[in-house]
Amino acid sequence: GQQLNQSPQSMFIQEGEDVSMNCTSSSIFNTWLWYKQDPGEGPVLLIALYKAGELTSNGRLTAQFGITRKDSFLNISASIPSDVGIYFCAGQLNYGQNFVFGPGTRLSVLP
Amino acid sequence: DTGVSQNPRHKITKRGQNVTFRCDPISEHNRLYWYRQTLGQGPEFLTYFQNEAQLEKSRLLSDRFSAERPKGSFSTLEIQRTEQGDSAMYLCASSVVVDTQYFGPGTRLTVL
Repeated sequence: GQQLNQSPQSMFIQEGEDVSMNCTSSSIFNTWLWYKQDPGEGPVLLIALYKAGELTSNGRLTAQFGITRKDSFLNISASIPSDVGIYFCAGQLNYGQNFVFGPGTRLSVLP
Repeated sequence: DTGVSQNPRHKITKRGQNVTFRCDPISEHNRLYWYRQTLGQGPEFLTYFQNEAQLEKSRLLSDRFSAERPKGSFSTLEIQRTEQGDSAMYLCASSVVVDTQYFGPGTRLTVL
């Protein structure tokens, strides 16, 4: 089946720094979603991407749908302590099919 | 609160017992999904409904698992004869046709 890889697996950054993470696949996807999950809670949708090359922002978060349609990127600017959590990407091969989730990137923000 | 809700939030059961979880989706969302998530992993798709019809089931969904959405609104996920390997977070999500899924808080199952 399809697999998504997320890089890095985990990262420790200083408060105020910018963060970049990515999600890659060997398959072409038509939709990418980015989620954040806090411990003991369900994932919260951050950004949805529907077209190759699309760049979408949500506050300090910016995500891009890769031109090859096999990857997506999430950037967080000026990190704050509440950015701590696990960030998941999810891809959909074809409209109407279920989403495949990556293993997540665990972000820790040091004060 | 108009988000996806799940009950119970936590369930501890003994091996061999049956458990049932409930999910109430966002109203007007015609699609409802069930996922399982184990520690350190992303959610894994189990099954989904469009209205009351169950349209897809993962091979992760063994015969001991059954899901229903009888009136196209709330859904239940039942696990019969629970095993320790069933311990996980069970997540429900809903969406309209556009497929941008919104998750509930999950039900954490612990099988002793």
